[in-house]
Amino acid sequence: SQTIHQWPATLVQPVGSPLSLECTVEGTSNPNLYWYRQAAGRGLQLLFYSVGIGQISSEVPQNLSASRPQDRQFILSSKKLLLSDSGFYLCACLRDLTSDGYTFGSGTRLTVV
Amino acid sequence: KQEVTQIPAALSVPEGENLVLNCSFTDSAIYNLQWFRQDPGKGLTSLLLIQSSQREQTSGRLNASLDKSSGRSTLYIAASQPGDSATYLCAVRPSGAGGTSYGKLTFGQGTILTVHP
Repeated sequence: SQTIHQWPATLVQPVGSPLSLECTVEGTSNPNLYWYRQAAGRGLQLLFYSVGIGQISSEVPQNLSASRPQDRQFILSSKKLLLSDSGFYLCACLRDLTSDGYTFGSGTRLTVV
Repeated sequence: KQEVTQIPAALSVPEGENLVLNCSFTDSAIYNLQWFRQDPGKGLTSLLLIQSSQREQTSGRLNASLDKSSGRSTLYIAASQPGDSATYLCAVRPSGAGGTSYGKLTFGQGTILTVHP
C-alpha cells in the first residue's frame, strides 16, 4: 500500500513571503496526486490534481501553484502568501483510476500572519 | 456542479448510544461514495466505501448505506465510544470525466462527533 510523506506539519509565514509544501509518495508508481485545502470550519476543497509528471490541473483560481517534477513528488507553492491562504493543506494519492482507495498525508497547518 | 451536505454539523452523545450521520449530494451520477474520519489536526482515514451499484457496506460497528437515486447516504455507528470522537467526512467521486478519469472527490463539510463517557 502507498504511504504519503508531507512536510512541514506546521508553518507560520508572514504575508508576502513565499511558500513551498512538499508531498512524496512511496509504494506505488505513476499515481494520481491531489492537493486539498481545508479552511477553518469548512470542508475540503480540491486545489490541484496531477495525473502524471509535469501535468497539473487547477480547480480554483488562486494565489497558489503546483508542480510535479518527479513521478512521486508533488509540490504546492506560492510566490507571495495572502492571509486567505491560511488553512490545513492535505496531499492525497490514488494509485490508479480503477482503484478506490485514497491515501491522505498527515497535512500541513499553514498560518499566514 | 456536485454539492455535498452533511447533517448535523455537530453531535454530542453519551457513550453507548447508536447514532446516524447524514450525507446528501445533488448529482446522482456518482462512481462511489466514501466516509472518512479526521482526528484534530490530522489527515483522513478511510472508513467505508460504497460503489454506486451497492446499497451498503459494513465494518465492525460502522454501517454505511447509499440511496443513489435520492442522493443520500447514512453512516450508522453502533454502541458509540469516546474513541469515536472525531470529524466524519462524506465524499463523492463522480462518474465520467472528473471522477473515473481524474479521481476528483467532492467533500461535505463534516460532522463533528463528540462521545462523552
